Amino acid sequence: EPEVTQTPSHQVTQMGQEVILRCVPISNHLYFYWYRQILGQKVEFLVSFYNNEISEKSEIFDDQFSVERPDGSNFTLKIRSTKLEDSAMYFCASSVVASGGHEQYFGPGTRLTVT
Amino acid sequence: QKEVEQDPGPLSVPEGAIVSLNCTYSNSAFQYFMWYRQYSRKGPELLMYTYSSGNKEDGRFTAQVDKSSKYISLFIRDSQPSDSATYLCASDGTSNTGKLIFGQGTTLQVKP
Repeated sequence: EPEVTQTPSHQVTQMGQEVILRCVPISNHLYFYWYRQILGQKVEFLVSFYNNEISEKSEIFDDQFSVERPDGSNFTLKIRSTKLEDSAMYFCASSVVASGGHEQYFGPGTRLTVT
Repeated sequence: QKEVEQDPGPLSVPEGAIVSLNCTYSNSAFQYFMWYRQYSRKGPELLMYTYSSGNKEDGRFTAQVDKSSKYISLFIRDSQPSDSATYLCASDGTSNTGKLIFGQGTTLQVKP
């Protein structure tokens, strides 16, 4: 069964450093997303991406964040200068549009720890 | 008012019980609703995807949407210890970009 994959599973970085989180969406999916989940809190939307551009972003997704689809298979989230409060699980998801809605499948997540 | 709300639980039931998990949402314009299962420190796993009002069944799982009361439910029949997880309800709200709005999640424990 096709699945979304993410690497690394755990990333530890120092405050102020840049990190890149990587995702390989399901191959025939056209819509891509990043979400985050701070420990003990709800899953929060960061950004959606379609046709090589951002289609929607949340207030969390400020100038420190960027996304890219550098080739036909990878989808990345870059955090330019990490802060302590960026520590969270980051989930990538992908979808096709099914009956008008977006049936999204999530990857296993990358746990980001900023020290 | 939170857009999608769930009681965080925890909910503890004996093996074999019927489990009822519930969510409310704030905006009557919401159309698509999902239930995800999340094991500790893992990614959300899509269980059910429903549109508008009515029931949808898949094996031991039934999702129900009542648009008149803005209430969504997930029923699990013959619950198993392996069903112990956090259950997240979500909606794509009024967005056409796929942005999902999640509830807090309800933690379920099924005791053998």
